[in-house]
Amino acid sequence: GESVGLHLPTLSVQEGDNSIINCAYSNSASDYFIWYKQESGKGPQFIIDIRSNMDKRQGQRVTVLLNKTVKHLSLQIAATQPGDSAVYFCAEDWGNTGKLIFGQGTTLQVKP
Amino acid sequence: DAGVIQSPRHEVTEMGQEVTLRCKPISGHNSLFWYRQTMMRGLELLIYFNNNVPIDDSGMPEDRFSAKMPNASFSTLKIQPSEPRDSAVYFCASKPGQGAYEQYFGPGTRLTVT
Repeated sequence: GESVGLHLPTLSVQEGDNSIINCAYSNSASDYFIWYKQESGKGPQFIIDIRSNMDKRQGQRVTVLLNKTVKHLSLQIAATQPGDSAVYFCAEDWGNTGKLIFGQGTTLQVKP
Repeated sequence: DAGVIQSPRHEVTEMGQEVTLRCKPISGHNSLFWYRQTMMRGLELLIYFNNNVPIDDSGMPEDRFSAKMPNASFSTLKIQPSEPRDSAVYFCASKPGQGAYEQYFGPGTRLTVT
């Protein structure tokens, strides 16, 4: 029979606009969170991380926000570029064990 | 600098055959992780090692899967016998020792079992 795959959420944005990708995590004991970018045919690549004692961290064109009350992470990409098109994963260090558990991912499509 | 190296990059095999995937972590990294990525289940942790010792293998699907790390610069993931449902992309990742969180991923091995 036909297999059913994951239907990854897709965010489609215009080049130059800002993108916001959201993620819910599971374990309130997790202490560290990380965002990865995965381009087609490649392994996940680190973007930015944040510890639970912070609620915001900025990198180059990217910002991660953490809301521990509702166990929510977001990744903001400023001035989105075609090269940002990829699948984005959040991950939590499960219960501070050193073991990363990944979310299902969000596909970002950038329209020229 | 060389990143995590995986071989082969692609493997096509018939059901019932043994498959061995190989990984060379980044030099100096003390932790090594094996993941499997499929459309059905996303990115799943199979097993990880600290200082060549398996710490958590709770993600290994069944006894057909085994992983070893004989030294700090080499690990294998073996499937014997392979089945079509094992078809996936298998990633190896490594990270520096305790207190470091960022994992560095290899390019993956795409396994197809027919």
